[in-house]
Amino acid sequence: NAGVMQNPRHLVRRRGQEARLRCSPMKGHSHVYWYRQLPEEGLKFMVYLQKENIIDESGMPKERFSAEFPKEGPSILRIQQVVRGDSAAYFCASSPRDRGHGYTFGSGTRLTVV
Amino acid sequence: GDSVTQMEGPVTLSEEACLTINCTYTATGYPSLFWYVQYPGEGLQLLLKATKADDKGSNKGFEATYRKETTSFHLEKGSVQVSDSAVYFCALMGGANQFYFGTGTSLTVIP
Repeated sequence: NAGVMQNPRHLVRRRGQEARLRCSPMKGHSHVYWYRQLPEEGLKFMVYLQKENIIDESGMPKERFSAEFPKEGPSILRIQQVVRGDSAAYFCASSPRDRGHGYTFGSGTRLTVV
Repeated sequence: GDSVTQMEGPVTLSEEACLTINCTYTATGYPSLFWYVQYPGEGLQLLLKATKADDKGSNKGFEATYRKETTSFHLEKGSVQVSDSAVYFCALMGGANQFYFGTGTSLTVIP
């Protein structure tokens, strides 16, 4: 029973490129959450998705960031035209029902923008 | 708004020493409180939780008591082991069912 799978573990992008982070939830989990951890800070909520629906994106930056969770395949967090300030660890979590029930976190993707 | 403040690290202890990592919170309403642990190279794992005042969460020798009067949820362990070396995050789930995390405290236990 694999846990939440995130890939890649490490991603290096030059300024202006696009970053695509993937998250496969645990089997049987239909709710996905993305969090970002900036250096020296705690994890900050970004977005909450169910299959084909964005439920809460109140933590997403207004520009360059988008997320999806298609009917088939992993959830994708996409960052366009990356800047140095996007360098962070991005964590995905999944749960079987709405938030508050059985969160399981992935190992994270560490994005470095050079 | 809701927030969590936890003790800054890093913390270095000798094996069998006592551990306390302080955590205080600010929240409207009655949040649930959590401690998560992140071992090197792994994701966050739920260590323990408490859902109401005076509840005590416990797991693997770790304990934390939900203190409403002091708005605290300090993590304690009487005798740490090398295998406890990790980063520990205090978190709360507030009224909007959204997690708020502290900045994490790195613990290193030396033999």
